[in-house]
Amino acid sequence: GESVGLHLPTLSVQEGDNSIINCAYSNSASDYFIWYKQESGKGPQFIIDIRSNMDKRQGQRVTVLLNKTVKHLSLQIAATQPGDSAVYFCAENRVVYSGAGSYQLTFGKGTKLSVIP
Amino acid sequence: GAVVSQHPSRVICKSGTSVKIECRSLDFQATTMFWYRQFPKQSLMLMATSNEGSKATYEQGVEKDKFLINHASLTLSTLTVTSAHPEDSSFYICSARGNWPYEQYFGPGTRLTVT
Repeated sequence: GESVGLHLPTLSVQEGDNSIINCAYSNSASDYFIWYKQESGKGPQFIIDIRSNMDKRQGQRVTVLLNKTVKHLSLQIAATQPGDSAVYFCAENRVVYSGAGSYQLTFGKGTKLSVIP
Repeated sequence: GAVVSQHPSRVICKSGTSVKIECRSLDFQATTMFWYRQFPKQSLMLMATSNEGSKATYEQGVEKDKFLINHASLTLSTLTVTSAHPEDSSFYICSARGNWPYEQYFGPGTRLTVT
């Protein structure tokens, strides 16, 4: 099930089940979204991205869904494995000022995924 | 994908001293580098953005005189934490971006502990 900890929501799933991690973003002008996986003591690792002109994108065992109406993003992991245990962050690409490349990523709060063997 | 390295991976320093963290893009030219700070069980918070050869742009609430950023070349940026205090203890992560396709690549992070 899903619970909210002191700082970081936690999602526990049984190995082999599907996982769904949710994220709400704040800026309706954001046009690019990315999901990152962060293992303990390491930097964020790119998983999958999606542009605002799409509502779904699939990768290997992962699917990202984007609902611009309610500013909601989700990451679905199929057949979750112990190696999927990590903290997952969504990030929105926000334009800072006009000009090429003038944007920055803003990270969501993150969700800790724990896979029960 | 492109590789970004950080050095050191861990550092312990005494209160009042300064410590420098290096961030390198190994196989591409990083026109823009970002420095993030992450406290335990929290998200990444952007501290500053630097473009090669220009002064860094700091986020609100980040002291530019305390966190000195130098982006002197297209492959190297440094973050110097001056007069470190225990509350500066954190995980510092750099990120680098080239000219195109604007993807951002993250380093492995540096764990700073100030005693």
